[in-house]
Amino acid sequence: EAGVAQSPRYKIIEKRQSVAFWCNPISGHATLYWYQQILGQGPKLLIQFQNNGVVDDSQLPKDRFSAERLKGVDSTLKIQPAKLEDSAVYLCASSLSDLEYFGPGTRLTVL
Amino acid sequence: KQEVTQIPAALSVPEGENLVLNCSFTDSAIYNLQWFRQDPGKGLTSLLLIQSSQREQTSGRLNASLDKSSGRSTLYIAASQPGDSATYLCAARNDYKLSFGAGTTVTVRA
Repeated sequence: EAGVAQSPRYKIIEKRQSVAFWCNPISGHATLYWYQQILGQGPKLLIQFQNNGVVDDSQLPKDRFSAERLKGVDSTLKIQPAKLEDSAVYLCASSLSDLEYFGPGTRLTVL
Repeated sequence: KQEVTQIPAALSVPEGENLVLNCSFTDSAIYNLQWFRQDPGKGLTSLLLIQSSQREQTSGRLNASLDKSSGRSTLYIAASQPGDSATYLCAARNDYKLSFGAGTTVTVRA
């Protein structure tokens, strides 16, 4: 069974630039999550999708972050414009029930 | 709001020693608790999931206990090996949401 795929794996941008991350969940998983993990901290949930709909985006900084999940499968997370404090690993996960499966993450560095 | 704390932040042991990793959480109304392993540059791998009605869960050399009333969970790793070197995170689930601790980074010296 293929795991959760994410791209790119690494991204370096300057502040005020835009960036987008892509996630392909495990086939058949209805729930998709985006987490932000700042160095030295645990992952923090940014947004959770159930199929196409948003279940929770309470911790998503909506003035600069946006996310969509088209057709209930792939998802993209965008940051526009980026700030220095957005430097982190962005993890995508998917689940069918209680067990979440994580992708390898995208490491973002904002200079 | 659920707060999850893991102490210590880092741990170094010689090979063969047993590991004890601690996790505490503030809201005892959890649905379940999970322990994850994270290797550098990689995502999280689930090690053990304990439902709120369970007291412990075992998988090979790993054993996790849960005491909801005191808001604590402990992960035991028996006879540690260099391959156990990684960061271990615990996460408590309330409703549908996982709240993570910052993790304990373990180094097992050969």
